[in-house]
Formats: sequence, C-alpha cells, structure tokens
Amino acid sequence: GQQVMQIPQYQHVQEGEDFTTYCNSSTTLSNIQWYKQRPGGHPVFLIQLVKSGEVKKQKRLTFQFGEAKKNSSLHITATQTTDVGTYFCAGTRYIYNQGGKLIFGQGTELSVKP
Amino acid sequence: DGGITQSPKYLFRKEGQNVTLSCEQNLNHDAMYWYRQDPGQGLRLIYYSQIVNDFQKGDIAEGYSVSREKKESFPLTVTSAQKNPTAFYLCASQTGGNQPQHFGDGTRLSIL
Repeated sequence: GQQVMQIPQYQHVQEGEDFTTYCNSSTTLSNIQWYKQRPGGHPVFLIQLVKSGEVKKQKRLTFQFGEAKKNSSLHITATQTTDVGTYFCAGTRYIYNQGGKLIFGQGTELSVKP
Repeated sequence: DGGITQSPKYLFRKEGQNVTLSCEQNLNHDAMYWYRQDPGQGLRLIYYSQIVNDFQKGDIAEGYSVSREKKESFPLTVTSAQKNPTAFYLCASQTGGNQPQHFGDGTRLSIL
C-alpha cells in the first residue's frame, strides 16, 4: 500500500503567490525524487535528493530533504501559469530480496489563476 | 520521453475482452514498470521487471499480466478479470538503482 503521503492534494493559488507541497514517509528513504505532470501529460523527472538535509534549487523551485530522510518539500516562489500541473514525490526504499523500490506519493495538483 | 513509446494512445475494451498495451524503450534500461493512474490517487504500481525474463507483482497486479521476453519490450495485458480497467496507464523505464524513471506518454483505456 501507499507508504509515502503527500499533502495537500489540491492547491489553488493566484499567480505570484508561493506554493509548497510536502511529502512524508513512514520509513527512512535512500533518496527522494520529484516529478511534474502537466495536464494530459506524463510525469517528468525534476530532481533527486540523496543526502540528509540536502537543499537544491532550480530557478524558482526549492527542494528539501529532511534530516531524518523521511520527509521532503517542494517550494515554488512567485508561481506562474506555466507551473500548473501535478507534482509527485517518490521515495526509494530498499526491500529485502527486491532491491530498491520507488514509491510515489499521491501528488499535489497545482492550479494557478492569472 | 522520446525513448519510451506506448501504444495505442487510446484503447477501448469490450466486456469480457483481454487487451494488450504496448511499451517499447530504446534507452537500454534494465528495469521497466507499469503504473495505473486514477484521478486523485497518484501512481499505483501494477508490475515491474528488473531484468529480462523476470518480473514481479506490484501493489495492484490482480487482473493484469505481463511478459518481458526482450529488454526493449514490456507489454501489459488487461484481462477480463480486471473489473474496473478504465484508467490512464503509464509505462516507465529506469537504468536501475536510484536513477530517475522515464515515462511514456501513456495509454487511456476505456470500457465500451
């Protein structure tokens, strides 16, 4: 079953406002990946965080990985209409005899009102 | 992603019919995955394969079957046992380990 929880499920913002989505795992993750899915499209890889406490930035997007490697966040500063889509976190857990397994959160759907 | 091709883009299934969704990749990736996406439920893993001639069930394998006879191909069959098949199906591939997954454009399956 789902072991990576992501909130909120939906977020509606006015263009220019900030946006944050949070991801929490019940177990320690070896890494966290973030994907963006535009409406009608497929998920596209954005970034991967591996180290405890790691912070990475991509222009207006800031990604953080928690110290305990159980939570992560994606923050978008000054949203634009091009940011519209669903953002997924995905954590890798190593399972005995199965290797690494990527577990997706439920996603946060972002809509931006111009 | 250009390296993964899913076909068809849209598919309609009649009651009691099996249908097969195609997934081909030219990225030379060892691992391939099938996900089902329903509104508000994110991606749920159906089956995955980490090497040719081997595959494992994911979280929602009932009513589905797969094969991995070639590294490049990982077709998914939606059987008549799957009572609620209407969904968006995504295929992905990965080099392995902690690497990102690359997704195809997906197939939308509906019931006639």
